Amino acid sequence: GENVEQHPSTLSVQEGDSAVIKCTYSDSASNYFPWYKQELGKRPQLIIDIRSNVGEKKDQRIAVTLNKTAKHFSLHITETQPEDSAVYFCAPITSGTYKYIFGTGTRLKVLA
Amino acid sequence: DTGVSQDPRHKITKRGQNVTFRCDPISEHNRLYWYRQTLGQGPEFLTYFQNEAQLEKSRLLSDRFSAERPKGSFSTLEIQRTEQGDSAMYLCASSLAEGEAFFGQGTRLTVV
Repeated sequence: GENVEQHPSTLSVQEGDSAVIKCTYSDSASNYFPWYKQELGKRPQLIIDIRSNVGEKKDQRIAVTLNKTAKHFSLHITETQPEDSAVYFCAPITSGTYKYIFGTGTRLKVLA
Repeated sequence: DTGVSQDPRHKITKRGQNVTFRCDPISEHNRLYWYRQTLGQGPEFLTYFQNEAQLEKSRLLSDRFSAERPKGSFSTLEIQRTEQGDSAMYLCASSLAEGEAFFGQGTRLTVV
C-alpha cells in the first residue's frame, strides 16, 4: 500500500502478443494484491488477485506473480485480444488498514 | 441488482453549493470505501468505513468533505461550498474483509 507505482504507463501490443505490467509498492506489510481493469467510462473490476502466501496465480489468459522480497507484483496477459484494451490498476492492501491504494494505472492498447 | 449502487449518476452544481451523494453497498459487506477519480488518473482514496465506524480519512481531504454511514449500511458523502477542482467521478466500493472490492458506477460531479 501507500506508495504504489506501475510500469509502464502505456503499453501497445499486437493482438496475440503478451503484455506484462509491473506494480511496485512500498509497504512491506501488504498482504493482498489485486489487479483491476477499467474500461472507458466504466467502473473498475477485479480481474485477478493473489495473497502473500502464494507466488503465482493463473486464470486462463491472465496470471499474477508476486515477489514480496522485492515488493512488486506483475500482471501477465497472454494471447491478447482487442477487448483487453483498457486501463489496468494494481491496488495492494495491508492487513489492519484494509485500505486499497491504487497504482498510477497502465493503459493497454491491443492492436488488431 | 445486488451490486453497489450510487445516486445520483450525474450532478451539475454551481460553485459554492453543497452536494450530497449516496452509496448503497452490497448488503453483507461491512467495509465501504469512497474514492475520487479524475480523467487519466487512478482512483484516489478519500475515506473508508467498517460498519458504521469511519476508520480513516485521507489527509488530502479538506474539511469541506464529510462522510457518514449511520447504520452501517448506506453511506453519504457531502461536499460543502463546492469548488471547480471538486469536479470528478466519485466512486463508492464495498468489500468483505480483505477481498475483492466491488465498485459502484460512480457519481460524476461537475462544478460550474
